[in-house]
Amino acid sequence: KQEVTQIPAALSVPEGENLVLNCSFTDSAIYNLQWFRQDPGKGLTSLLLIQSSQREQTSGRLNASLDKSSGRSTLYIAASQPGDSATYLCAVFFTGANSKLTFGKGITLSVRP
Amino acid sequence: EAGVAQSPRYKIIEKRQSVAFWCNPISGHATLYWYQQILGQGPKLLIQFQNNGVVDDSQLPKDRFSAERLKGVDSTLKIQPAKLEDSAVYLCASSLVRRDRLLGNYEQYFGPGTRLTVT
Repeated sequence: KQEVTQIPAALSVPEGENLVLNCSFTDSAIYNLQWFRQDPGKGLTSLLLIQSSQREQTSGRLNASLDKSSGRSTLYIAASQPGDSATYLCAVFFTGANSKLTFGKGITLSVRP
Repeated sequence: EAGVAQSPRYKIIEKRQSVAFWCNPISGHATLYWYQQILGQGPKLLIQFQNNGVVDDSQLPKDRFSAERLKGVDSTLKIQPAKLEDSAVYLCASSLVRRDRLLGNYEQYFGPGTRLTVT
């Protein structure tokens, strides 16, 4: 079964800390992987999309890496700010029939001032 | 550029009642998705349209859920009759058409969602 796992479910850090959010997936046959941000009561905002052939993507203070062979991705947030507080979801587009975007449960991040 | 629009934002109904949600995708996006997100879970795809045709509805509970996209633009998702376990946020997303499956999906853009509470 193709699954995406994000552990821990919640994380609290002081402002200014560099942090890493982890995502693991069960099948290395993927098209791509996306990281999303979700604020309370809001929809999802796409942060970074990494194609299967890529190893990382960067946007501002965010860097996402992809290691297909080990079934892992990390989202690195540099110099965290209170405004980064949100839920971060990892989603994988597995290959195969009826392929669809499969989401993890998310990591709820709280950055303390 | 306007984003994905959804209405209503909130809805409270009693079990066994019916409810409908509306979505207007980003202009030019041929692919439209409906997701269900239960509290504490990631979104789960219910149905995917490409233009006005259904691409994937394998996870749609067809005995009570239905969806349509008649003119290939906006879409409605209906639940009839609703159950307590249908309480969730219903998210609509859109993307450009996927021309080559080898490229996987194009980036999906999500609307704000409709929070449904069934009592």
